[in-house]
Amino acid sequence: GAGVSQSPSNKVTEKGKDVELRCDPISGHTALYWYRQSLGQGLEFLIYFQGNSAPDKSGLPSDRFSAERTGGSVSTLTIQRTQQEDSAVYLCASTHLGGKLFFGSGTQLSVL
Amino acid sequence: GQQLNQSPQSMFIQEGEDVSMNCTSSSIFNTWLWYKQDPGEGPVLLIALYKAGELTSNGRLTAQFGITRKDSFLNISASIPSDVGIYFCAGQGSGGSNYKLTFGKGTLLTVNP
Repeated sequence: GAGVSQSPSNKVTEKGKDVELRCDPISGHTALYWYRQSLGQGLEFLIYFQGNSAPDKSGLPSDRFSAERTGGSVSTLTIQRTQQEDSAVYLCASTHLGGKLFFGSGTQLSVL
Repeated sequence: GQQLNQSPQSMFIQEGEDVSMNCTSSSIFNTWLWYKQDPGEGPVLLIALYKAGELTSNGRLTAQFGITRKDSFLNISASIPSDVGIYFCAGQGSGGSNYKLTFGKGTLLTVNP
């Protein structure tokens, strides 16, 4: 596609449920990031994938969070046993060879 | 961890006025970036700065990379209603990481027509 695509755009879930958020990066982009944006806050780094290298998971806030990137393209961010504090906008971005980052429109996650 | 202090948190201005916002850091960055985020969208890159002391313009936007590499400012001249949004600074290339961006908390800009 023309840009970074994220789905769903909105997700409402109950506390304790698991959720999966999907990111389709721009075709050919080797690097993919996940960021979290809480209300009134800046973007918080979660995880970084680059090609076949081991991902940088240093930003994942707890072991309830995990992400994978299959075939060097699509990525899924999984949050297990969601908590209310997980409510935020989850943004995905992709880039190629350290160039400009292109962000998706994000997934607004609401945990009730 | 690294932190960026961005100010002001919000601004309410009249159309036609100039705007200035800035970021300071406790860490040195190799690159400073300024993004704008419209409601319901992801951030979009406005200006990238790669060299200490660099002053770069993009239309009505002007940004500078501080000499100490720990700060940057963004100016918007002759504001218009479509300038409304959240502006974020971001630093890149610090602490051995060339890829991780550290973001400020944003400046919410409101322009009254």
